[in-house]
Amino acid sequence: DGGITQSPKYLFRKEGQNVTLSCEQNLNHDAMYWYRQDPGQGLRLIYYSQIVNDFQKGDIAEGYSVSREKKESFPLTVTSAQKNPTAFYLCASSALWDYQVYNEQFFGPGTRLTVL
Amino acid sequence: AQSVTQLGSHVSVSEGALVLLRCNYSSSVPPYLFWYVQYPNQGLQLLLKYTSAATLVKGINGFEAEFKKSETSFHLTKPSAHMSDAAEYFCAVQYNNNDMRFGAGTRLTVKP
Repeated sequence: DGGITQSPKYLFRKEGQNVTLSCEQNLNHDAMYWYRQDPGQGLRLIYYSQIVNDFQKGDIAEGYSVSREKKESFPLTVTSAQKNPTAFYLCASSALWDYQVYNEQFFGPGTRLTVL
Repeated sequence: AQSVTQLGSHVSVSEGALVLLRCNYSSSVPPYLFWYVQYPNQGLQLLLKYTSAATLVKGINGFEAEFKKSETSFHLTKPSAHMSDAAEYFCAVQYNNNDMRFGAGTRLTVKP
């Protein structure tokens, strides 16, 4: 089955530690995204990538880093510089934008990160 | 800046009652509009989407939404709520591949 996988489902980390969240897709999508979800705030874009080895900052990129070495993979690192990292993190993917065709985003199951 | 407003962070209905979840967007150009549903500790699942083909859009699980340009609205409805509809619902507006804006979400509770 095609889809997006995120691992782990739950992650605990101590303050001051970096942690990497995995996101893999087998939908052959060019574009991938990372969102952060906090209660009552909807989804906020952290980073996005449209092509391998290229990515752009979203609205809340500070304290996060990403890489896109393979089309299928878009890992997110939450660094110690992120002041309030406890949240639910969602990865998504889509086909590239085409003004004649909408391209919905498909979401993974999410990773809940808790900083102790 | 483009934005999406969902009126009501919590909506409670009785089983069998009408469900109405409100969404308004701010835009100077026609956008693409989506409704997603999220069950606890899961990702988002697409319910339906508006792509200018028809103003009344039918989605999965009996939901539908109507695009009203004059009101810049895209409200989600379902004639008869089921217990399994209890979830959080997000309205989203997309202007290009890199700019999808989500509302804050509406949590739907269905009472027996």
